[in-house]
Amino acid sequence: AQSVAQPEDQVNVAEGNPLTVKCTYSVSGNPYLFWYVQYPNRGLQFLLKYITGDNLVKGSYGFEAEFNKSQTSFHLKKPSALVSDSALYFCAVRDLSSGGSYIPTFGRGTSLIVHP
Amino acid sequence: EAGVAQSPRYKIIEKRQSVAFWCNPISGHATLYWYQQILGQGPKLLIQFQNNGVVDDSQLPKDRFSAERLKGVDSTLKIQPAKLEDSAVYLCASSPKQGGSSGANVLTFGAGSRLTVL
Repeated sequence: AQSVAQPEDQVNVAEGNPLTVKCTYSVSGNPYLFWYVQYPNRGLQFLLKYITGDNLVKGSYGFEAEFNKSQTSFHLKKPSALVSDSALYFCAVRDLSSGGSYIPTFGRGTSLIVHP
Repeated sequence: EAGVAQSPRYKIIEKRQSVAFWCNPISGHATLYWYQQILGQGPKLLIQFQNNGVVDDSQLPKDRFSAERLKGVDSTLKIQPAKLEDSAVYLCASSPKQGGSSGANVLTFGAGSRLTVL
């Protein structure tokens, strides 16, 4: 079975400071990992994904994420936060093991609030 | 490229009434998903279609929920009768054909249909 945990319901950061939104996962085999962002009254939008290769993945709007296999984590980061980054962020995982699902499992989301 | 279209955006009904949501995916996307997103939770898959066939409906409450994708394009999700706990946002998403390395496919979501059951 595949699962993903986002341990923080809310992350607060001042504009211009670096931000980190945490995600850990559990799979039987190798994972595909994704980050999506949801702005108010909008659907989820894709930010970035890890498939294979370089552990540091760069995505949209200056976001990046680091895949750490030993810690089973895929934390989302940005060097300098903007007020417009305030939104709900979802981590998702797909398990590539035999019998694994092509359907992503989503975390419960982390609300990022960037203060001016 | 047009996005995933959903309607209605908002719906308020009383318990035991019925409701239907419509979704038109991105042109050419063979796979269509319906997710339920309850406030404060992540999206939970209800049903996945590949073309007009059901791939996974294991989490669909079949006593009250039904979904179809008759021509392999647009889809309808119905709830009958609705319960208070069905209050949620119903998200439709689509992705290119499933299979092989397509597990890396990105899902494109619609804006969602917000249901309030009173």
